[in-house]
Amino acid sequence: DAMVIQNPRYQVTQFGKPVTLSCSQTLNHNVMYWYQQKSSQAPKLLFHYYDKDFNNEADTPDNFQSRRPNTSFCFLDIRSPGLGDAAMYLCATSREGGTDGYTFGSGTRLTVV
Amino acid sequence: GQNIDQPTEMTATEGAIVQINCTYQTSGFNGLFWYQQHAGEAPTFLSYNVLDGLEEKGRFSSFLSRSKGYSYLLLKELQMKDSASYLCAVRGPFSGGYNKLIFGAGTRLAVHP
Repeated sequence: DAMVIQNPRYQVTQFGKPVTLSCSQTLNHNVMYWYQQKSSQAPKLLFHYYDKDFNNEADTPDNFQSRRPNTSFCFLDIRSPGLGDAAMYLCATSREGGTDGYTFGSGTRLTVV
Repeated sequence: GQNIDQPTEMTATEGAIVQINCTYQTSGFNGLFWYQQHAGEAPTFLSYNVLDGLEEKGRFSSFLSRSKGYSYLLLKELQMKDSASYLCAVRGPFSGGYNKLIFGAGTRLAVHP
């Protein structure tokens, strides 16, 4: 089945230790997104890629970076995780102009200790 | 800034009908989406409206009034499994650039026997 896969499902990292979350898709969608969702809050857009064109939200901290080496893969790098970065990180894909919304991965729940 | 408002919590009885409202004030509009999210899981797509009126999909219907910046999600014949958060999301472009989706904080629905 075509889908969006995030690995790992749960990630524990140490305060200040760089961590990378990964996302892959078999839908061949041209747009990929990273959202951060804290408990009982709205998913907050961090970045998105339109093909290889990178779009950073104005309020995304510099501590967060992203890479998209090809259509299928996208990575979220957190250079120096703080306790406030503990959250669910959601990857999503879409076809630009599509009417069927975004397809989300199952998310990676990040814990910072 | 962009603003999407939904009630925080609602309760309803199994078999009943519930309406979840969403109001939005955004600098752009290119469609409104409703997603369902169970605790600890990724959002799943429910419905999409871009023109005024009602879209019906089985037990779920969604309504949009663009002039009023208003939408609602109607859930009929409620089942226990419908207990979840329901997220209203508006697609932009909001400040030029590509389309992106911004979310309300979600309405937590509890269905009781």
